[in-house]
Amino acid sequence: KAGVTQTPRYLIKTRGQQVTLSCSPISGHRSVSWYQQTPGQGLQFLFEYFSETQRNKGNFPGRFSGRQFSNSRSEMNVSTLELGDSALYLCASGVQGGYNEQFFGPGTRLTVL
Amino acid sequence: KQEVTQIPAALSVPEGENLVLNCSFTDSAIYNLQWFRQDPGKGLTSLLLIQSSQREQTSGRLNASLDKSSGRSTLYIAASQPGDSATYLCARVRGPSGSRLTFGEGTQLTVNP
Repeated sequence: KAGVTQTPRYLIKTRGQQVTLSCSPISGHRSVSWYQQTPGQGLQFLFEYFSETQRNKGNFPGRFSGRQFSNSRSEMNVSTLELGDSALYLCASGVQGGYNEQFFGPGTRLTVL
Repeated sequence: KQEVTQIPAALSVPEGENLVLNCSFTDSAIYNLQWFRQDPGKGLTSLLLIQSSQREQTSGRLNASLDKSSGRSTLYIAASQPGDSATYLCARVRGPSGSRLTFGEGTQLTVNP
């Protein structure tokens, strides 16, 4: 079974631009969560989607948004990029909820210049 | 106060040693607890999931335990190897309605040959 895939793996953007990251969960998994990882803040939860609906949201500004498609693939969008958005963005997939083991993708490394 | 705390922050041991990594959480609201390892610049690899009704899980040389009453989990690694060198993270899920993981800061483990 293929694991969680994320594209692109690396991105370089400049301040003010916007970016879209993609995550394809493990086949059969309906929950996709997004996390931001930085050296200073560690791993922080962005949001979770389940069956195309946002089920949980972390403490991030509205510039961070996401969506999930009917095939469970998810996209995350960051508008008006700031230097502080430079981070490793990770997505995790699970069968349905907190009861289940979650599996992470390799991440997208975003650098904002 | 950090919701999930990991001690020690870093650990260096000679090959072959048995070791224990600690994870503690501020309240007993835990649905399940998951241990991960992360290699530099990579995504997270799931090691063990302990559901709230369980006390421990084992996989190969790894054993994880959960004590909800004291708010602690431990990851025991037997006969450590240089390939075990990585950052180990614990994360908890509060409830069944959602997959939000709250992570500790991690323990950076180095196993010296």
